[in-house]
Amino acid sequence: DVVMTQSPLSLPVTLGQSASISCRSSQSLVHSDGDTHLYWFQQRPGQSPRRLFYKVSIRDSGVPDRFSGSGSGTDFTLKISRVEAEDVGVYYCMQATHWPHTFGPGTKLEIK
Amino acid sequence: EVQLVESGGDLVQPGGSLSLSCTASGFAPSNLWMSWVRQAPGKGLEWVAHVSPDGSKKYYVDSMKGRFTISRDSAKNSVFLQMNSLRAEDTALYYCVAWGAGTYWGQGSLVTVSS
Repeated sequence: DVVMTQSPLSLPVTLGQSASISCRSSQSLVHSDGDTHLYWFQQRPGQSPRRLFYKVSIRDSGVPDRFSGSGSGTDFTLKISRVEAEDVGVYYCMQATHWPHTFGPGTKLEIK
Repeated sequence: EVQLVESGGDLVQPGGSLSLSCTASGFAPSNLWMSWVRQAPGKGLEWVAHVSPDGSKKYYVDSMKGRFTISRDSAKNSVFLQMNSLRAEDTALYYCVAWGAGTYWGQGSLVTVSS
């Protein structure tokens, strides 16, 4: 199975500052269809997960442009500029290139 | 409003069986891949099973293969998860997920396996 790792696992951030989460996969996530099926999800406390990005960097509808996704191959990054209180939660990367699809362990973002 | 509503979660003894249902409203998932993803208490997300739009392709995580069965009824906009030989480690909130242009998640159905 493809192992997804994230760092850091805990991310205390001051309001208004930026935050960055790294996600690495144990295998290349480039699919035979040419796309890279790497997703980012946000799970706010007590809520179901919500997709933020698909195919590495395509932002979902309603996601603020303070959020950006980047990367390729096995190395990916989620960046949040100007962190707001509503950004508190756990962020997961997930690969859907290889079965079984696998999630990273999650990064818990909190406000300092 | 787009919604996925799961039902069927319960307390069950180890070795027992349970069937979960997920019904969509506000959209027709007949053209979408559908999945079950679970989350143990205080833990991260874990794939369970995945079914193609026509129901012909089904994928399971190894630890659930042979014990869990995913199915769907497009006429009823529903997806199901039959779980047999349940273990304590299957205790989790089970989410139904629809994968399309957007990704839709239900609120989850809690399965507790305990004697």
